[in-house]
Amino acid sequence: GQQLNQSPQSMFIQEGEDVSMNCTSSSIFNTWLWYKQEPGEGPVLLIALYKAGELTSNGRLTAQFGITRKDSFLNISASIPSDVGIYFCAGRKTSGSRLTFGEGTQLTVNP
Amino acid sequence: ETGVTQTPRHLVMGMTNKKSLKCEQHLGHNAMYWYKQSAKKPLELMFVYNFKEQTENNSVPSRFSPECPNSSHLFLHLHTLQPEDSALYLCASSQDEEVQPQHFGDGTRLSIL
Repeated sequence: GQQLNQSPQSMFIQEGEDVSMNCTSSSIFNTWLWYKQEPGEGPVLLIALYKAGELTSNGRLTAQFGITRKDSFLNISASIPSDVGIYFCAGRKTSGSRLTFGEGTQLTVNP
Repeated sequence: ETGVTQTPRHLVMGMTNKKSLKCEQHLGHNAMYWYKQSAKKPLELMFVYNFKEQTENNSVPSRFSPECPNSSHLFLHLHTLQPEDSALYLCASSQDEEVQPQHFGDGTRLSIL
């Protein structure tokens, strides 16, 4: 099936640092979603992107729909300990197709 | 409170037991999904229901049997499971199949002895 390559797999950062992660595919997508999952909970939607080039923010989080439509980026500014969790990207190629999920980026923030 | 509620949160069962997982959504959505989440692997789509009709069975073994009595409720009936079926089972819903995004419940952590 369609694969999304999410990187990095894990990150260990100091509180206050900025974080950047991305998802890439060999195929064109028309929807990109970013989720965060904390231990013992389900994924929670952070940002949804529907147009190439779109840049959307949610507090300290900013995500972009790549202009090639084959990638998406998530940035977290001024990280805090509660940012800890697994961040997943998900993409959909066309109307009627299923969401494909990345393997996740495990973020650890040291106080 | 999450819009998608799953019960039980944890389940331990033997390979010969029969149990059911329940999902209820309070978002007025018409599509519901079952996913399997295993460590270090992407979410695996299992089943999709749209307006109570099953529209996807992603080659799931018959020991997993879904049921969708109405647009708000989704069940996953389990029978004669294998140890490799131990995982987190997530339910999600969306406005309908065409309209994303999906909203997830907190999952049922299933352990097969």
